[in-house]
Amino acid sequence: AQTVTQSQPEMSVQEAETVTLSCTYDTSESDYYLFWYKQPPSRQMILVIRQEAYKQQNATENRFSVNFQKAAKSFSLKISDSQLGDAAMYFCAYRRNNNDMRFGAGTRLTVKP
Amino acid sequence: ETGVTQTPRHLVMGMTNKKSLKCEQHLGHNAMYWYKQSAKKPLELMFVYSLEERVENNSVPSRFSPECPNSSHLFLHLHTLQPEDSALYLCASSLGRGYQETQYFGPGTRLLVL
Repeated sequence: AQTVTQSQPEMSVQEAETVTLSCTYDTSESDYYLFWYKQPPSRQMILVIRQEAYKQQNATENRFSVNFQKAAKSFSLKISDSQLGDAAMYFCAYRRNNNDMRFGAGTRLTVKP
Repeated sequence: ETGVTQTPRHLVMGMTNKKSLKCEQHLGHNAMYWYKQSAKKPLELMFVYSLEERVENNSVPSRFSPECPNSSHLFLHLHTLQPEDSALYLCASSLGRGYQETQYFGPGTRLLVL
C-alpha cells in the first residue's frame, strides 16, 4: 500500500507568487520524520526541508515552509516568492525508526516567468 | 553537489551484458543506499549498507548485486538485465542509519536496457 501520496502530479506557479504542494501519508506511528526533496532537471536530488513529528512548530527554511497537520497526516510544502530556479520535481518522504524512507510519486513544479 | 558522485551518468546495455555502477561519497558518511527511480513511480529502495555491511535488501532480483568495499564506495553490479530494469539509479549516503538523518543523493545513472 502507498505510504506517501502526492495528489498533484503537476503544478505551475507564476514567478514571485506562492504555491503549495500537497502530501499525505499513512502511519500508525507517533514518532517519525517527514522530508521534502527537490530534484531539478538532470540535477541531484537535494533536501529542501524536514519536520520532526513530535515538534508542533512548522519547519521553515527561507522561502520554504511546511504546514504539518499530524492528526490529518498531512505535510504540505509552501514556496513563497517563487523563482525560476524552483522549477523541479518535488518529492515528499516519510521515515520512521531506522526503516527505509518512503517517497511519494512526486509533483512536477513549473515556474512561469 | 559534489558530495556524492556516480559513474557512469548514462549507460546503455544489452540484456546479456555485465556492467557495474559506481558511487562514491566524500562526506564521511557511514551509510549508503541504492534507489531505483522509474518514471511516474515513487523511488524504490534497493539496498542499504551501514558500516560496509548490508542491512537491508528489499526483495531485489539477483541480477542486481551490490558491493560496498569501504564506507566511501558503493557498487551495483548488473547482469542479464531486463528492459523493465531501465530507470534512473540513485545512490545516497547519510551520516548514520538513524531515521532523523538526511540522505544526500548522487546525480544518478540513467540506465537503458535494450
